[in-house]
Amino acid sequence: GEDVEQSLFLSVREGDSSVINCTYTDSSSTYLYWYKQEPGAGLQLLTYIFSNMDMKQDQRLTVLLNKKDKHLSLRIADTQTGDSAIYFCAEMAGTALIFGKGTTLSVSS
Amino acid sequence: DTAVSQTPKYLVTQMGNDKSIKCEQNLGHDTMYWYKQDSKKFLKIMFSYNNKELIINETVPNRFSPKSPDKAHLNLHINSLELGDSAVYFCASSQEGQGLRGKETQYFGPGTRLLVL
Repeated sequence: GEDVEQSLFLSVREGDSSVINCTYTDSSSTYLYWYKQEPGAGLQLLTYIFSNMDMKQDQRLTVLLNKKDKHLSLRIADTQTGDSAIYFCAEMAGTALIFGKGTTLSVSS
Repeated sequence: DTAVSQTPKYLVTQMGNDKSIKCEQNLGHDTMYWYKQDSKKFLKIMFSYNNKELIINETVPNRFSPKSPDKAHLNLHINSLELGDSAVYFCASSQEGQGLRGKETQYFGPGTRLLVL
């Protein structure tokens, strides 16, 4: 099937690291994405990784890709209250994005 | 200088009505999409369209139809609205890629919150 799986909730304290995990299904996916959705807002592209990469770092964000296990993770260092949002993992299937159900990240001060 | 814009932002209407949601992109992209996000925040593709091909998710009722007057616009028409159509509808666009880094990345509009009463 075309299911992208994510845990639904993650709760961390401000200043800690957050790790959001995702498993995808299509081994031929060329790109894998992380999108962020703040309450009542649209989808914001956070980062993406090309399938021939193992890791990508962008400021506080680190994406790790394990292609053998079809596992993708997003690490947010020094998590801030402004990082509270829903984070969607997505893989490209044909021309469409297949999204996971989203992980709600709650950051407490 | 909004990249992908949608109107209206909110739409409240009665069951049985026909309504349209507009989407415009100024990124020069050649492919546009409509996604539906339900009350549980699940996101699913409805359509993808470029000037060559319309791809329809087979689960989408034929009451929904995309219309593209030009490359920068993809509007969504919905006939005979039902309660279950209440959702947030997102438009997105991308440049058809050829495996080049990041070229296929989809950029999303702010969403249209549709409530059917």
